[in-house]
Formats: sequence, C-alpha cells, structure tokens
Amino acid sequence: DTEVTQTPKHLVMGMTNKKSLKCEQHMGHRAMYWYKQKAKKPPELMFVYSYEKLSINESVPSRFSPECPNSSLLNLHLHALQPEDSALYLCASSQGTLWTGPSNQPQHFGDGTRLSIL
Amino acid sequence: SQQGEEDPQALSIQEGENATMNCSYKTSINNLQWYRQNSGRGLVHLILIRSNEREKHSGRLRVTLDTSKKSSSLLITASRAADTASYFCATAHSGSRLTFGEGTQLTVNP
Repeated sequence: DTEVTQTPKHLVMGMTNKKSLKCEQHMGHRAMYWYKQKAKKPPELMFVYSYEKLSINESVPSRFSPECPNSSLLNLHLHALQPEDSALYLCASSQGTLWTGPSNQPQHFGDGTRLSIL
Repeated sequence: SQQGEEDPQALSIQEGENATMNCSYKTSINNLQWYRQNSGRGLVHLILIRSNEREKHSGRLRVTLDTSKKSSSLLITASRAADTASYFCATAHSGSRLTFGEGTQLTVNP
C-alpha cells in the first residue's frame, strides 16, 4: 500500500466533461506534485506545489487546473480534454524545505489515475 | 536536455544473476535518485545519492555516482522474479524539479 492515495483509480470521460482527480497524503509533506505518464515513458512533471503555493507550472495547457486546498490535499481539475491527454496521472509528495528545495528529498508516489478521453 | 539517459533500455536475466543499469546526465546535479515502477503502479523510491557521495548501499542495491563522467549505475544483486519492473534514474538540479530518464525495463526470469 502506498502512503499517497489517489482517486479515482480509473476515469473515462468525454471531451466536454469536467472532472477532478484527487490526491491525499498524511505524511506531513509540504511539497506535492502532478506528473503525466504515457505508456513506456518516464513521468513528465506538470505542477509543483510548495507550502500550498504553486511554484512550478511546466507550461501545462489551461484545460488542466491544479488546486491545493490544504497541505494534505491536491486536486487536478480537468475540462475539455483532448484524446492525447489520455495517460496515467501520478501524484507525489516530498518533504519540502524552503532553503534546500524539495527535490533534495525522495518523492512518494501514489498509484495514479488511469485517464481515458473518448 | 538535462534528462538522464539510461542503458540498456531493456534487460532480461535469470533469477540469481546480477543486474546493472546505467544512467548518464548532462549538467551538474544536487543529487541523483533511483526509482522502481511495477506495471500499473506508481513509482517507488529506492536510493538517493548526493553529488558529494560516490557509493551507497541498500540491501541488495548498490548505487555508484561518478560526477566527473556525469554517470551513475544501479546494481541489483541476486535478482528475484519480484525485481521485474521498470527502473528510472532521476536527477535533481535545483529547486523543486526532478528530471527522469527514459528507464530500463528489467525482466527477471524464474
């Protein structure tokens, strides 16, 4: 079992739907991440939240909208997605320190949401 | 690109044999991390090695780092069928960002 919980595990949606992916961790981590992973490829960073503030947006299209309501929760709101957005969406968290940067800590991943766009 | 490159892309061995995977990168790093991903699952952190370290061990895992050659290797000794997975190196250059390599698919045959 992972310590980062993602829901739902699978999601099928049409291009006009609005849905949200959810991620939760209770390890006291202050950095949280969204990644997109296509089959047989490495994860690609989408967003980083550090101390509940968006610190990195990797030029992700606006049809993906992240939200960090508190230090334990991370959401990814989806709207008007395209078929090429079908992928595994992974959430991760790590201890974040303002002076050393969260990338100096191991990241803990959830098992992801498998998203299919019809 | 700062992305790590891994070789081999795929490795198939028999149980009990050792498996070695290599990772190269292009710019200076703060640390390098290795992750494992079983099919259909998330990534699991294996080892983090800092730029001032040369070697680290964790159980059957041994990681080396050569910053002069900008390369790292992951050795899994006495492999088991349960070690079958994709293995990724990830480099941390600054701040919050990890950059993952393309990965090595390891198959351990019983």
